[in-house]
Amino acid sequence: GESVGLHLPTLSVQEGDNSIINCAYSNSASDYFIWYKQESGKGPQFIIDIRSNMDKRQGQRVTVLLNKTVKHLSLQIAATQPGDSAVYFCAENVNSGYALNFGKGTSLLVTP
Amino acid sequence: GAVVSQHPSRVICKSGTSVKIECRSLDFQATTMFWYRQFPKQSLMLMATSNEGSKATYEQGVEKDKFLINHASLTLSTLTVTSAHPEDSSFYICSARFSRTDTQYFGPGTRLTVL
Repeated sequence: GESVGLHLPTLSVQEGDNSIINCAYSNSASDYFIWYKQESGKGPQFIIDIRSNMDKRQGQRVTVLLNKTVKHLSLQIAATQPGDSAVYFCAENVNSGYALNFGKGTSLLVTP
Repeated sequence: GAVVSQHPSRVICKSGTSVKIECRSLDFQATTMFWYRQFPKQSLMLMATSNEGSKATYEQGVEKDKFLINHASLTLSTLTVTSAHPEDSSFYICSARFSRTDTQYFGPGTRLTVL
């Protein structure tokens, strides 16, 4: 079936470097995408979202890029900090009922 | 803004008992809330969509008589795990949809352990 998936299950970066987390989706009808950060034992925390009528959206130290042609979503974190270490999930809105389909998650580890 | 709380954060119960988990949107009203389940090192799996004033919509494979959902007000949804068994042990997370942006904000989760 159609689903959202992630290219890399784990990502290790040095403090201060930029991080890029990728996500592929297969549902061409998806029109809303969200990135969440989840720390161990906690609920997902909203990071940034983007709608299908946009290619790029920037927040504080984060940028989300959407390539509808190849159905690819990415999250860029600038100047990665130890506090950014967590699991990152992309999610897509799968229907008009607003339910989200989550990807498998990427574990980001920031080393000093 | 957009804070969602869950209670309790952790619960341990005996097999066969029922457990109720509350999900509250603290600073906004949510006509739609969602319940997810997450196993260790896995992604979130949607269990059901909770709509205020109407019956919940359950995902395929989720037993509605086992996981009772009640969305009695615009700020509160409850999930009751009835006759819990060890295989129901998991991390249960709720979310509330902020209608102005369609964004779902998540609660901190409830760790359920059934002995």
